[in-house]
Amino acid sequence: QKEVEQNSGPLSVPEGAIASLNCTYSDRGSQSFFWYRQYSGKSPELIMFIYSNGDKEDGRFTAQLNKASQYVSLLIRDSQPSDSATYLCAGDSGGYQKVTFGIGTKLQVIP
Amino acid sequence: SQTIHQWPATLVQPVGSPLSLECTVEGTSNPNLYWYRQAAGRGLQLLFYSIGIGQISSEVPQNLSASRPQDRQFILSSKKLLLSDSGFYLCAWRIGQRNTIYFGEGSWLTVV
Repeated sequence: QKEVEQNSGPLSVPEGAIASLNCTYSDRGSQSFFWYRQYSGKSPELIMFIYSNGDKEDGRFTAQLNKASQYVSLLIRDSQPSDSATYLCAGDSGGYQKVTFGIGTKLQVIP
Repeated sequence: SQTIHQWPATLVQPVGSPLSLECTVEGTSNPNLYWYRQAAGRGLQLLFYSIGIGQISSEVPQNLSASRPQDRQFILSSKKLLLSDSGFYLCAWRIGQRNTIYFGEGSWLTVV
């Protein structure tokens, strides 16, 4: 079983809609979770970092963490064509030192 | 402020040749350091991580090795490259449990 799992997509949403990205993890000891955006051929850039149960909002982005159900989600409101990218979910384990990533979900925002 | 440098940015190497990728972090002390690989169209695969000088944890058995000769230096090596070693290699660092992980610009390796 992979430590962090995501649907690879692609997920297509119309411009202005809400994009919902989901991720599950297997290690109940995981404490911190990350969402990164990666454009083709580029290094990942951090979108959100969350370690407390509940929601965390930053601009158009909201991360949700549910440790009981072992899932993390990312909502992107008012999606823009520039949001089209691959979104990587990651979580730490092994006493937080190890950080593993899901396969990434490709998001396409249709103008 | 903290910065991470990774080089070379791109390289083309023949099968069976050696490899050395280097990563250094500035502006912080005792970071956790990571090497990831991303094959074409794939996710980030954790290769090695280190919590201190000389302390290396390997995640995937392969022909690659890593070393941490200094606190803020992390090196990825191979004695003989395989075609399957081609990909985008990323170095990253992190301080503490309640902090994010930061990536370098990456190194593109093509084995021919």
